[in-house]
Amino acid sequence: AQSVTQLDSHVSVSEGTPVLLRCNYSSSYSPSLFWYVQHPNKGLQLLLKYTSAATLVKGINGFEAEFKKSETSFHLTKPSAHMSDAAEYFCVVRPLLFGNEKLTFGTGTRLTIIP
Amino acid sequence: GAVVSQHPSRVICKSGTSVKIECRSLDFQATTMFWYRQFPKQSLMLMATSNEGSKATYEQGVEKDKFLINHASLTLSTLTVTSAHPEDSSFYICSAKLRLNTEAFFGQGTRLTVV
Repeated sequence: AQSVTQLDSHVSVSEGTPVLLRCNYSSSYSPSLFWYVQHPNKGLQLLLKYTSAATLVKGINGFEAEFKKSETSFHLTKPSAHMSDAAEYFCVVRPLLFGNEKLTFGTGTRLTIIP
Repeated sequence: GAVVSQHPSRVICKSGTSVKIECRSLDFQATTMFWYRQFPKQSLMLMATSNEGSKATYEQGVEKDKFLINHASLTLSTLTVTSAHPEDSSFYICSAKLRLNTEAFFGQGTRLTVV
């Protein structure tokens, strides 16, 4: 079984300040972990993914995330928020198990950027 | 990344009618496509997984006679909402992948409103 908990349903930060979106996971198998971003009425865009290589993963638009097995966490960070970062962010887990393609989504974190 | 296109992006239909949503992989052949449903301010819930040329696998609680999925070719899957009712109003998103253990690419979604 696998599950994802996004600890904050809504995060607000000022433009130019750091962003932290928190995600904890559980998985019966070694996990693949992903962060996706969704702008209003749009599909999902992959920001970054962890698949058992380097624990610090760099993604697009300046985002990065660190896989911490001991804490079962995969928090998303960005040093300086931009207005265009305002969106919904989903943390997603998939077992690193050949043939298991099922993605389990967190409930999402809405990021608001204050001008 | 690869492109997945959904059509239409928005549709309004009358209660009792059927609506077909298309999901196309534009620049790759998708052996597997997934259909998700997203309620307002909620996460994505997997409805079904379809493999080209075979019957879709539905998640528990999803009515297969209500949500007909056809994956007739490697570039096209369709979701037909039959005898639609207002409670079927939702945002439907598809995703597609080339083969096992590769990244899934998401369409831009279809907002269905049943009046």
